[in-house]
Amino acid sequence: DVVMTQSPLSLPVTLGQPASISCRSSQSLVYSDGNTYLNWFQQRPGQSPRRLIYKVSNRDSGVPDRFSGSGSGTDFTLKISRVEAEDVGVYYCMQGTHRWTFGQGTKVEIK
Amino acid sequence: QVQLVESGGGVVQPGRSLRLSCAASGFSFSGYGMHWVRQAPGKGLDWVAVIWFDGSYKYYAESVKGRFTISRDNSKNTLFLQMNSLTAEDTAVYFCARGDSHTRGFDYWGQGSLVTVSS
Repeated sequence: DVVMTQSPLSLPVTLGQPASISCRSSQSLVYSDGNTYLNWFQQRPGQSPRRLIYKVSNRDSGVPDRFSGSGSGTDFTLKISRVEAEDVGVYYCMQGTHRWTFGQGTKVEIK
Repeated sequence: QVQLVESGGGVVQPGRSLRLSCAASGFSFSGYGMHWVRQAPGKGLDWVAVIWFDGSYKYYAESVKGRFTISRDNSKNTLFLQMNSLTAEDTAVYFCARGDSHTRGFDYWGQGSLVTVSS
């Protein structure tokens, strides 16, 4: 099975400052069709997960443009350009190339 | 609008069974693969099972293989998860999620149904 490793697991940030979360996979996430099926989800406290990013860098409808995804192969990053109070929650990467596996989650909190 | 509503959770003794349902609305249910994902209390997300749009393909996480069965009734727009031989390690909130074949991700999630396995 593909193992997804996120870092850091906890990320205290100051409002208005940037934040960055790393996600590494144990195998390349490039699928046979040439696409890389790496997704990012946000889970606010007490809520269901919500997808933010699909195929590494594509924002879902309604996702603020302060969220961006990048990376390739086995190394991926989610960036928040300026953290807002509503961004508090846990962020998960998930690969869909080799069936489906989530990272452990990164808890974003306000300092 | 797309809605997924899980039901059937509750408290069950170890070794017993439980069946979860997920009622779908707002989209053409028979055209989408569907997944179950679970989250143990205070823990992360854990993919459980998938079923193809027509029920022709099913796949399970190793932790539930042989104990859980995913199924669907496209005439009733409903997804199911039959859980047998439950253990304390199966205690979790169970989410159903719509599969997005173009992105191989999950684009809509239900609110979840809590299953507690305890004597």
